[in-house]
Amino acid sequence: EPEVTQTPSHQVTQMGQEVILRCVPISNHLYFYWYRQILGQKVEFLVSFYNNEISEKSEIFDDQFSVERPDGSNFTLKIRSTKLEDSAMYFCASSDREWDTEAFFGQGTRLTVV
Amino acid sequence: AQKVTQAQTEISVVEKEDVTLDCVYETRDTTYYLFWYKQPPSGELVFLIRRNSFDEQNEISGRYSWNFQKSTSSFNFTITASQVVDSAVYFCALSGNAGNQFYFGTGTSLTVIP
Repeated sequence: EPEVTQTPSHQVTQMGQEVILRCVPISNHLYFYWYRQILGQKVEFLVSFYNNEISEKSEIFDDQFSVERPDGSNFTLKIRSTKLEDSAMYFCASSDREWDTEAFFGQGTRLTVV
Repeated sequence: AQKVTQAQTEISVVEKEDVTLDCVYETRDTTYYLFWYKQPPSGELVFLIRRNSFDEQNEISGRYSWNFQKSTSSFNFTITASQVVDSAVYFCALSGNAGNQFYFGTGTSLTVIP
């Protein structure tokens, strides 16, 4: 069964460093998302991406964040200068259409900022 | 504004008991979609079900059933004859027609005791 793949599964980084989280969405999907989940809290939307541009973003997704689809298969989330409060589980998701469809989530990348 | 409320933070049941997880949502959209996701201890988000606002038919899938009631803005999830493998955090989510992001509830942590 097709699945969304995220790498790495766990990343530890020092405050102020840049990190790139990587995702390979399901191959025939066109809509891509990043969500985050701070430990023990709910899953929060960060950004959606379609046709090589951001279609929606939340207040969390400030100038420190950026997304990119560098090739036909990868979808990345970059955090330019990590802060302690960026520590969370980051989920990538993809869907085959915009409405009336579920999003399929990857297994997540646990980011720990020290 | 979109909002999902899962009032039950934690539930413990003994194996083979039935358990119902509550979900109440708020939206002004006339078309919207409701979802349940399971997050086992391994951390990934597993899609369980999608419902659109025009389809109030209840659904049964094996030991799982869902009761969607627009009159009370609820989309409750029942596990019949619970098993230890059902232990997980369960999230209810909503997406509307003004954007494709998902709004998640805070989750209900279910522990099934053998």
